[in-house]
Amino acid sequence: NAGVMQNPRHLVRRRGQEARLRCSPMKGHSHVYWYRQLPEEGLKFMVYLQKENIIDESGMPKERFSAEFPKEGPSILRIQQVVRGDSAAYFCASSPSGRENSPLHFGNGTRLTVT
Amino acid sequence: DQQVKQNSPSLSVQEGRISILNCDYTNSMFDYFLWYKKYPAEGPTFLISISSIKDKNEDGRFTVFLNKSAKHLSLHIVPSQPGDSAVYFCAASVFGSRLTFGEGTQLTVNP
Repeated sequence: NAGVMQNPRHLVRRRGQEARLRCSPMKGHSHVYWYRQLPEEGLKFMVYLQKENIIDESGMPKERFSAEFPKEGPSILRIQQVVRGDSAAYFCASSPSGRENSPLHFGNGTRLTVT
Repeated sequence: DQQVKQNSPSLSVQEGRISILNCDYTNSMFDYFLWYKKYPAEGPTFLISISSIKDKNEDGRFTVFLNKSAKHLSLHIVPSQPGDSAVYFCAASVFGSRLTFGEGTQLTVNP
């Protein structure tokens, strides 16, 4: 998993607070994907971004969740007014291009706990 | 709608024997299939992939088989080693799009 950097590794928030998860893709990768893994489940797609563009956000909850990938800096997944059901592992992945079949490279995730 | 399914939540094998992990899918548009391995507290690590134009791909101890008519793929690990103990996820995509993952199979290789 070297290359895709996620921080923080662990994040504890009280209900109603905001959570910000950061992802720096591998060098040379301009495509970022966010996935969520709830306990005892597989990874579920949330959003796919390129620099400054959201390409596919069909997996994002309609409210409280947003994502960005600015021209400079890491991609940010933002969860407003967190609830206990948001507790999960959030994984970021990157690829050099979204237009060819190539494996995604994942970070080690951010484990969000909402108390 | 679970488009990719791994029906066995767990599998236990003896060291040196073959491990066979299975995966079924429903979306006939999928054209690229992958297996990832995941250790606790780490992200998934890419293992092996196969394009829909092939029916087999081999990389060392790992072989992936694809049966398009049955919409089924499998991962064979031989010989299995204790370090292979992990959760294995199969995933699929339509060309260049996001990956859809199965629920995972916990493989335990006993010494």
